[in-house]
Amino acid sequence: NAGVTQTPKFQVLKTGQSMTLQCAQDMNHEYMSWYRQDPGMGLRLIHYSVGAGITDQGEVPNGYNVSRSTTEDFPLRLLSAAPSQTSVYFCASSYVSGQPQHFGDGTRLSIL
Amino acid sequence: TQLLEQSPQFLSIQEGENLTVYCNSSSVFSSLQWYRQEPGEGPVLLVTVVTGGEVKKLKRLTFQFGDARKDSSLHITAAQPGDTGLYLCAGVDNYGQNFVFGPGTRLSVLP
Repeated sequence: NAGVTQTPKFQVLKTGQSMTLQCAQDMNHEYMSWYRQDPGMGLRLIHYSVGAGITDQGEVPNGYNVSRSTTEDFPLRLLSAAPSQTSVYFCASSYVSGQPQHFGDGTRLSIL
Repeated sequence: TQLLEQSPQFLSIQEGENLTVYCNSSSVFSSLQWYRQEPGEGPVLLVTVVTGGEVKKLKRLTFQFGDARKDSSLHITAAQPGDTGLYLCAGVDNYGQNFVFGPGTRLSVLP
């Protein structure tokens, strides 16, 4: 039972590049979400999904896209990376909508 | 302005001491969650409090939800080095739709 798996663990991008952060869970949870964590600001919700085919915006969605084609996977796409997107990104899942229970170990992203 | 405030921001104590950290808001929350996060890892859910005045215990950790459901506290008895980490409170307020986190209290327990 792997829980929530995020890949890659580390990534360095140049401004303007695009990339996809992967997130997979094996607990059959309907609710999945993406957060970014910045010093002194806690975790902020980027996008979330209440089930396959359904996604919605969180507090800080600009510059990010998501899709949910299966229950297991919830990738986060950076369309055109900017230095302000340097952060640690966490994916989470739960069976209770809106209350993340299980987090991945994060992707540390640096935009130069 | 943060919807959830946490205090203190940093706390360094000796092993065996007791401590309390606080989570406060001007908004009413339907429930509050507490997480602990260790360096290089994601947050781990410790507890959910739902009812105003509710007290929950998890070994040496005691969590309390304020009567008005605007605040919560976490008390640790006889702290151990393994308690070191970032403690985060979080929840959905009665008016919002997003799950919000406080900025956290960073606890260091020295042996």
